[in-house]
Amino acid sequence: GENVEQHPSTLSVQEGDSAVIKCTYSDSASNYFPWYKQELGKGPQLIIDIRSNVGEKKDQRIAVTLNKTAKHFSLHITETQPEDSAVYFCAASYYVLTFGGGTRLMVKP
Amino acid sequence: EADIYQTPRYLVIGTGKKITLECSQTMGHDKMYWYQQDPGMELHLIHYSYGVNSTEKGDLSSESTVSRIRTEHFPLTLESARPSHTSQYLCASSPSGTGGARNYGYTFGSGTRLTVV
Repeated sequence: GENVEQHPSTLSVQEGDSAVIKCTYSDSASNYFPWYKQELGKGPQLIIDIRSNVGEKKDQRIAVTLNKTAKHFSLHITETQPEDSAVYFCAASYYVLTFGGGTRLMVKP
Repeated sequence: EADIYQTPRYLVIGTGKKITLECSQTMGHDKMYWYQQDPGMELHLIHYSYGVNSTEKGDLSSESTVSRIRTEHFPLTLESARPSHTSQYLCASSPSGTGGARNYGYTFGSGTRLTVV
């Protein structure tokens, strides 16, 4: 089955700095790669996704990149704000989503 | 408003009790899922369904069972709760893929935090 590894597990940045979270996946058949944000006491919420036929996608301060050959994908958050503080999950799938272990992002004001 | 609902939000129950965690969605999604989230954050798939009368076990071995009699409803049952079942349980749903896309993003409920004492 699919195995997704996510790094780092914790990330602390100053407000205004950029944050980068990286994931690798094992199954070359995976073709869908979403990213989720989970705030305290809530379920994960989809923030951006990318499909295998696209190398990069951007939505305001958030961007994702995908390298199919190397089987890795990344989330980039620019101009971080305190409200970006949360746990972020990457995931990969062909049939069902397999999640990475999560990254706890802390943005210091 | 289209959404996915989980009840109860919190549950404290004694060992050996039978419990059912409820999950309902109003989005007409065919696919539904149950994930267990441990204190270390990781999400583990325990059950999923591709439609009515379809259920499959996920990667994480679980002593729970599920049913899918109606599209909108996907309850999870523990016949005999144990302290090892203490965890956060998250339900999610997604539409079926069309046009060659097998997957779409999942919509998650707010979760049920279960404590077995």
